[in-house]
Amino acid sequence: GQNIDQPTEMTATEGAIVQINCTYQTSGFNGLFWYQQHAGEAPTFLSYNVLDGLEEKGRFSSFLSRSKGYSYLLLKELQMKDSASYLCAVSAPGNTPLVFGKGTRLSVIA
Amino acid sequence: EAQVTQNPRYLITVTGKKLTVTCSQNMNHEYMSWYRQDPGLGLRQIYYSMNVEVTDKGDVPEGYKVSRKEKRNFPLILESPSPNQTSLYFCASSWDRGTYEQYFGPGTRLTVT
Repeated sequence: GQNIDQPTEMTATEGAIVQINCTYQTSGFNGLFWYQQHAGEAPTFLSYNVLDGLEEKGRFSSFLSRSKGYSYLLLKELQMKDSASYLCAVSAPGNTPLVFGKGTRLSVIA
Repeated sequence: EAQVTQNPRYLITVTGKKLTVTCSQNMNHEYMSWYRQDPGLGLRQIYYSMNVEVTDKGDVPEGYKVSRKEKRNFPLILESPSPNQTSLYFCASSWDRGTYEQYFGPGTRLTVT
């Protein structure tokens, strides 16, 4: 089966750094996605990790450890517009559907 | 502009009245899927399609049907809607099932009374 865990909510201060964790237990693994979803809107793609390590993309970075079944999304220099839900999703081989975590709702406060 | 469109965006209907939510993409993607999103449950896949005339069940297919007669369109059909199908629905498309990013439509908020 597939199980993905993320914290439900987080709060951070404008200008700070926040790390959103995602742990997964899956039967097989291709890669891990991070999506951002503002309230009432569609999810939008942030990153896709296949290999272990950190991938940086501007203010956002994503880390993967396949052996530990662990990933995190790092957001630097937080802005108010970063207030959103962040969804972790795991892709596995074969016909297994892409499985999403329940999402972490991040609130950025002044 | 590359996009996924869904219609309608909002729908209030009554139990048992058949409805269709349309989904269309202009990126020539082979893979399309439908999700529903509910508070506390996250995004759950209803059905997906790997290509024309190829569809398969996701995690929560009960009460839904789909068809893929053309590459660009992937309608979601609720033959006899029930209140537990009240949800926010998203259509998505991608080059494949799991190694490329998915592009999501704007969502359809469905209320069944």
